[in-house]
Amino acid sequence: DAKTTQPTSMDCAEGRAANLPCNHSTISGNEYVYWYRQIHSQGPQYIIHGLKNNETNEMASLIITEDRKSSTLILPHATLRDTAVYYCIVRGETSGSRLTFGEGTQLTVNP
Amino acid sequence: DTGVSQDPRHKITKRGQNVTFRCDPISEHNRLYWYRQTLGQGPEFLTYFQNEAQLEKSRLLSDRFSAERPKGSFSTLEIQRTEQGDSAMYLCASSLGDPRVRETQYFGPGTRLLVL
Repeated sequence: DAKTTQPTSMDCAEGRAANLPCNHSTISGNEYVYWYRQIHSQGPQYIIHGLKNNETNEMASLIITEDRKSSTLILPHATLRDTAVYYCIVRGETSGSRLTFGEGTQLTVNP
Repeated sequence: DTGVSQDPRHKITKRGQNVTFRCDPISEHNRLYWYRQTLGQGPEFLTYFQNEAQLEKSRLLSDRFSAERPKGSFSTLEIQRTEQGDSAMYLCASSLGDPRVRETQYFGPGTRLLVL
């Protein structure tokens, strides 16, 4: 699986959009970008995934650059409950079924 | 609640003792995964099952670790002769197991193990 690079930490004001970047410059054509988050002392929670096109669901939007070398997870109106570690994961069909987590980005939403 | 459940949520044991954790996946999910997470790190893959068959094991899964899924439903993870380095959060996840679709894994709350 391609390696991902994320900032160690980010801050966001409550009610504002949180934009979390992820670099995956070695991504290959059949690899998807997944995002999970982990609130303190809980299991990881699936957020969204995508291949080429931008994706949106009830939780977030995923913007993938045209060259697919980077992506941004957008939480449109961050709340205090969005404070968590956010993991960007690149996963291909040859990786079997495992998810390979990095260290993620600690997002802190401030009141 | 129809999500992945794990039991116990917390376990404190003394070095050298054996411990066993249980995971109940989402009911229609055929695949079940175990991960381990140490403080400040992301989860690391240990092993996964397709129904009752254990299909892949990580090099992290030493001889002291054994996982089973005897009837293709719940799974157990046993650690024999625990060591202080086994202290971690043990996470279970499940997915549908349909090879026609890209799998999304759903995680349980984890079992936090402390070895004294």
